[in-house]
Amino acid sequence: DAGVIQSPRHEVTEMGQEVTLRCKPISGHDYLFWYRQTMMRGLELLIYFNNNVPIDDSGMPEDRFSAKMPNASFSTLKIQPSEPRDSAVYFCASSDSGNTIYFGEGSWLTVV
Amino acid sequence: KQEVTQIPAALSVPEGENLVLNCSFTDSAIYNLQWFRQDPGKGLTSLLLIQSSQREQTSGRLNASLDKSSGRSTLYIAASQPGDSATYLCAVDPSGNDYKLSFGAGTTVTVRA
Repeated sequence: DAGVIQSPRHEVTEMGQEVTLRCKPISGHDYLFWYRQTMMRGLELLIYFNNNVPIDDSGMPEDRFSAKMPNASFSTLKIQPSEPRDSAVYFCASSDSGNTIYFGEGSWLTVV
Repeated sequence: KQEVTQIPAALSVPEGENLVLNCSFTDSAIYNLQWFRQDPGKGLTSLLLIQSSQREQTSGRLNASLDKSSGRSTLYIAASQPGDSATYLCAVDPSGNDYKLSFGAGTTVTVRA
C-alpha cells in the first residue's frame, strides 16, 4: 500500500481565501484523523472519523474549519476564510481499529 | 487533562553512544503509549507501541519501557547511528476507545558521525 496520501504537499495562499486539503487513507482502515502541528502548540487532533462518520470534532478551532469524509477512501479539511494563524502543517492519519496509526507526509500551509 | 512532557527538547551524541529519551505523563490511567519518529518535512512513523499491561517492547536496536504508576516511559536506542537523527515523540492513548492521542513536544536527536 502507498500509505496515507495527502495533497497538496505545500500551499501558499492569501488571507481570506478558501483552502482545501485532501487525504486518501490506507485501504481498509476504518479510522481517519486530522492533526495540526505548529511549533507553539505541537500536534493537536482536530477531528476524527470512524467508518466515514465524524466522531469527535472538539479539536476543530473555529467554524472556519470543516471536514468531510464522503467515502472510505477520501477526506477533506477545509478552511474558509483562511487566516495567517492557520499556517501550520496539517497531517492526515489512518488506523485499522488497532492501535498503530499511520501518518501522511503532511500538507504545509502558509497563509499570508 | 493529560499532559505529556519530553525532556530534553534536544540532544546531540556521538555515533555509537546509546540514546535515552524520556517521556512523562500526568494521568497514569492510560490505555497505551506509542513512540514515533519524525524526520524533517515528513510525517510521523510509529516505532513502538506499549499496552498499559506491558512493561516494555523491543524492536531491533529500540527498546521502550513503561512505568504506568510513575507516569514514565523511556525509549532506548542502542549504538546510535547518524541515520537515527530525527525528532522522537511519545503519545498517550487515554482510553483505547476514542483514539485521542496526547502528544509530547518531542526530543530532537542529532547523532554526530
